[in-house]
Amino acid sequence: DTGVSQNPRHKITKRGQNVTFRCDPISEHNRLYWYRQTLGQGPEFLTYFQNEAQLEKSRLLSDRFSAERPKGSFSTLEIQRTEQGDSAMYLCASSPPAAGEYNEQFFGPGTRLTVL
Amino acid sequence: AQSVTQLGSHVSVSEGALVLLRCNYSSSVPPYLFWYVQYPNQGLQLLLKYTSAATLVKGINGFEAEFKKSETSFHLTKPSAHMSDAAEYFCAVTRMGGSYIPTFGRGTSLIVHP
Repeated sequence: DTGVSQNPRHKITKRGQNVTFRCDPISEHNRLYWYRQTLGQGPEFLTYFQNEAQLEKSRLLSDRFSAERPKGSFSTLEIQRTEQGDSAMYLCASSPPAAGEYNEQFFGPGTRLTVL
Repeated sequence: AQSVTQLGSHVSVSEGALVLLRCNYSSSVPPYLFWYVQYPNQGLQLLLKYTSAATLVKGINGFEAEFKKSETSFHLTKPSAHMSDAAEYFCAVTRMGGSYIPTFGRGTSLIVHP
C-alpha cells in the first residue's frame, strides 16, 4: 500500500536560498493539495490541483511560491528567496475524483523546512 | 466563509477516562465536518466525517462525534482513553460541493496519563 510520499522529509536552508519540495500522490488520485502547518496551528491551504490544472491558490501563496503538477502525477512546490517566516511543515494531500460527495484526503508525512 | 474553533489547546486525561475534544464551527452553507488525528512526525489521518447523513458519526479507534446544528458543534468523544490515543487532533469544516478544501482548527493535543 503506497500512500502519499514527500521528499525531502527535512530541509534546512539559509535565508535567501531557493528550495523545492516534491509530492507523489496515490496513483489513481487526480486531486492534489498543498498545505502549510506552523507550530501550534492547523494546516493552512496553499493550493490545489485537479490533474495538471492548478484550480485554486490561497493568498498565503505569495509570488515567491510556485507549484506545478506537469503531468498530473507528482507535484513540486518551490519557494524562492526563502525567509525565516517560511519555516514550517509543508503537507501534501491527494484524493480520488469527487462524485458529488466529499472524498477523503490522504496526507503525506510532510516536509519540515527550517530557514536559518 | 467558514471557520472552526477548537476549545482547549491541550486536554489531559487518565487512561480509561472519557475523552472529550470540543469543536464549534461557523459556515454560511450546510457543512461537511471532519476530525483528523496527527501522530508525531506523521501526516494527518481521517478519524471520521459528517456529510449530512446520520448526526452521530462513528470513526476509527473507537472515536465518535455528534453533529448538533443548534449548537454549531461537532465534539469528538471516546468512552475510554488509551495511551496510544495521545496525539494532535484537528477539527475541519468544508462546504458541500466545489473543491472540498477544508478549513482546519488550531488543534487540540490529547495527553493520556497512565
